[in-house]
Amino acid sequence: DAGVIQSPRHEVTEMGQEVTLRCKPISGHDYLFWYRQTMMRGLELLIYFNNNVPIDDSGMPEDRFSAKMPNASFSTLKIQPSEPRDSAVYFCASSFQLDSTGNTIYFGEGSWLTVV
Amino acid sequence: AQKITQTQPGMFVQEKEAVTLDCTYDTSDQSYGLFWYKQPSSGEMIFLIYQGSYDEQNATEGRYSLNFQKARKSANLVISASQLGDSAMYFCAMRYDSGYSTLTFGKGTMLLVSP
Repeated sequence: DAGVIQSPRHEVTEMGQEVTLRCKPISGHDYLFWYRQTMMRGLELLIYFNNNVPIDDSGMPEDRFSAKMPNASFSTLKIQPSEPRDSAVYFCASSFQLDSTGNTIYFGEGSWLTVV
Repeated sequence: AQKITQTQPGMFVQEKEAVTLDCTYDTSDQSYGLFWYKQPSSGEMIFLIYQGSYDEQNATEGRYSLNFQKARKSANLVISASQLGDSAMYFCAMRYDSGYSTLTFGKGTMLLVSP
């Protein structure tokens, strides 16, 4: 079975450019998450969706970040304009319903973003 | 708020030996789940094992087992018969059962397995 699929795997961009990260969750999963991983802050939840609707975006650092989920099989995380401090690994993850602790959250391979 | 503490930044173990990675958590909730993930150098996050707060037995998955001590609020990962491929970063994570709670992660422990 296909897992969570993210693209691009690696992105190097110049400061000020727009960056779009893409994610395809596991088929049938109701929840989609975007996490960011840095050395300083570890793994942080940015936003998550339930049935394509954003539920909690309190982790989104600022207005430069936006996320959409137009359908059950696709989500994007956009940074515009990008800054060097946005350099991190961005993970997309998905899960079945969250009202049971036994439902595991499965992660994609991550998108490694470097802003120079 | 949830808090996960992994006190060991790095651990070293020889191949074929067992190793325990520590994880403590802070919560006033009675119903929650504890997870361990492995992150090798390639970067992906791999789910290893899950323990529910009401599970009476410690979880096991192959060479992985979870030493769950609810009163002490600890959920240590035990890897038996370490292999070179176990060298990776290991993250403990927690999620509440109430409401729509997502995972909160610890800072991680880097495990290096030597021949």
